Amino acid sequence: GAVVSQHPSWVICKSGTSVKIECRSLDFQATTMFWYRQFPKQSLMLMATSNEGSKATYEQGVEKDKFLINHASLTLSTLTVTSAHPEDSSFYICSARHQPGHWDHEQYFGPGTRLTVT
Amino acid sequence: GENVEQHPSTLSVQEGDSAVIKCTYSDSASNYFPWYKQELGKRPQLIIDIRSNVGEKKDQRIAVTLNKTAKHFSLHITETQPEDSAVYFCAASSIQGAQKLVFGQGTRLTINP
Repeated sequence: GAVVSQHPSWVICKSGTSVKIECRSLDFQATTMFWYRQFPKQSLMLMATSNEGSKATYEQGVEKDKFLINHASLTLSTLTVTSAHPEDSSFYICSARHQPGHWDHEQYFGPGTRLTVT
Repeated sequence: GENVEQHPSTLSVQEGDSAVIKCTYSDSASNYFPWYKQELGKRPQLIIDIRSNVGEKKDQRIAVTLNKTAKHFSLHITETQPEDSAVYFCAASSIQGAQKLVFGQGTRLTINP
């Protein structure tokens, strides 16, 4: 199967600090990964599309300077929440899919990272 | 861009009965419609998906129907069991291009024993 991991699974940080979250595709290459944010009892909201070797594409209303995305390899994307504030506390989930043209169109989700900013 | 509406937001059914969740989408270019089950604090799990070239797909107790003309698709769960209790999300995307998933608002399904 296709497995996606995330690290850390949970993190608590102080307001004003930065936090990095890693998303890895363990058994397949992912040219594209996606980052979602999910507040309690709400749906998943796409934050950005992470493209290997190029700049991420951010959704409207998502601050690219606050949520830094790096997709340096075909198996790793990172999301850095800079100068985190309590309102950034949320469940962050990544997903990855196979390269374009692959028969498998499914997006495989990571287990999520619970971020709490105090 | 794409907009996905999902109803109802909560659904409670007796064990053994059927549950139906409905979604509508706005972008006629969307051609891939997955359904996810999410338990508290866990990742979404794909339970079934359908592409626009078919109208119905079934996998044991779960089925999905798609009406491209009306731009709506539905999830049907028959013979519900307590372990079906979870939050269910529909989504829509295009197989081409970025393949961004746009999610519905979610349905909290409760199966009463």
